Amino acid sequence: QVQVVQSGAEVEKPGASVRVSCKTSGNTFTDYWIHWVRQAPGQGLEWMAMINPTLGRTTYSQKFQDRVVMTADTSTNTVYIHLSGLRSEDTAFYYCVYCKYYYGAGAPDKWGPGTLVTVSS
Amino acid sequence: QSVLTQPPSVSGTPGQRVTISCSGITSSIGGNTVNWYQQLPGTPPKLLIYSGNQRPSGVPDRFSGSMSDTSASLAISGLQSEDEADYYCAAWDDRMNGRLFGGGTKLTVL
Repeated sequence: QVQVVQSGAEVEKPGASVRVSCKTSGNTFTDYWIHWVRQAPGQGLEWMAMINPTLGRTTYSQKFQDRVVMTADTSTNTVYIHLSGLRSEDTAFYYCVYCKYYYGAGAPDKWGPGTLVTVSS
Repeated sequence: QSVLTQPPSVSGTPGQRVTISCSGITSSIGGNTVNWYQQLPGTPPKLLIYSGNQRPSGVPDRFSGSMSDTSASLAISGLQSEDEADYYCAAWDDRMNGRLFGGGTKLTVL
């Protein structure tokens, strides 16, 4: 059974950057994808990006492609998302989602607990 | 801009059957990309249905999914008070080359 652990809450000032980590263990699939989804307080879910740690392939939502970079450390099964140029609208829970296929379905996925990023001066 | 459309809210009484729709699915893979999630306050989304109509282990068979052309539906039968939550559909979108989420539907059990 795969476990997904994320880094702790962050508080950052406008204009700063933040890095959130996502570590998986007990991986069910040797080839998998990590998606990042965020949710602002009281709002819906928003897809940001995805990465295949084994292949190193990344895809970013057009909305975030200028501010987001994802990397992966396959030795520790950890994926990182780095968001720069933070603004108050980036205040949200950031979830990583472990998926077998790039399109996010085809097999059960596993969500991390979420990381709250607060952007405030 | 790609959009998945869900009704903002639905309601039902205990024991009743309710359905939540999700329209605007454009994936060439079709219904195989549609997932449904339940989100209780303060918790991450929980997978209810994947690939349009598949239930992960542990999800009661009161929850079922179906597909039709560019739309998907989630049905909940034998409604229970603990089903009161927000429900989201998600699908792969070819145009944005990424995953798209519906706006969410709040289910109220009267």
